[in-house]
Amino acid sequence: DSGVTQTPKHLITATGQRVTLRCSPRSGDLSVYWYQQSLDQGLQFLIQYYNGEERAKGNILERFSAQQFPDLHSELNLSSLELGDSALYFCASSVAGTNEQFFGPGTRLTVL
Amino acid sequence: KNEVEQSPQNLTAQEGEFITINCSYSVGISALHWLQQHPGGGIVSLFMLSSGKKKHGRLIATINIQEKHSSLHITASHPRDSAVYICAPLQGAQKLVFGQGTRLTINP
Repeated sequence: DSGVTQTPKHLITATGQRVTLRCSPRSGDLSVYWYQQSLDQGLQFLIQYYNGEERAKGNILERFSAQQFPDLHSELNLSSLELGDSALYFCASSVAGTNEQFFGPGTRLTVL
Repeated sequence: KNEVEQSPQNLTAQEGEFITINCSYSVGISALHWLQQHPGGGIVSLFMLSSGKKKHGRLIATINIQEKHSSLHITASHPRDSAVYICAPLQGAQKLVFGQGTRLTINP
């Protein structure tokens, strides 16, 4: 158990819908990272937040957005969902001053 | 060409064999993670290293920054080592880039 929690574990929804994925980092970790793992693209970095502020952006679609709240939990919002958004979404956290990332168990999103 | 290349893509071995998975990358990095992903999907960070060698139990990871190459070794492999192993160099302080993974199967 890495100490990073993600909810829900599984999510099934329809095209065009909007969903919110939640991540709670390890106690004391200020950075949260979001990743997408799909069958055709593999693992990809989406976005990073540090202490509430966006720090780095990767291959995140405009239909996706994220935020980190004052209690350091983070949410990834996916809207106008398409079949191709079906994937595993992981978050990871790291403590300030180190680069080592600890991964949550992931949320499996299925878009029908 | 991918920024991170792993070899082999698939590896099947017998219990007890010595396993080596290789990773070459073309980007400048500050560190490199080796990750393990089991069939259930969860990802575990095995190592993060920026130079030299690290050992944890039966696992050994090495990195040569000048050669842009890292290896993961498993000694006395066991069926429970069966998983996908992913090399993930860290660009700067934030961005992990990922290899395509090596699917390892250890037969009893």
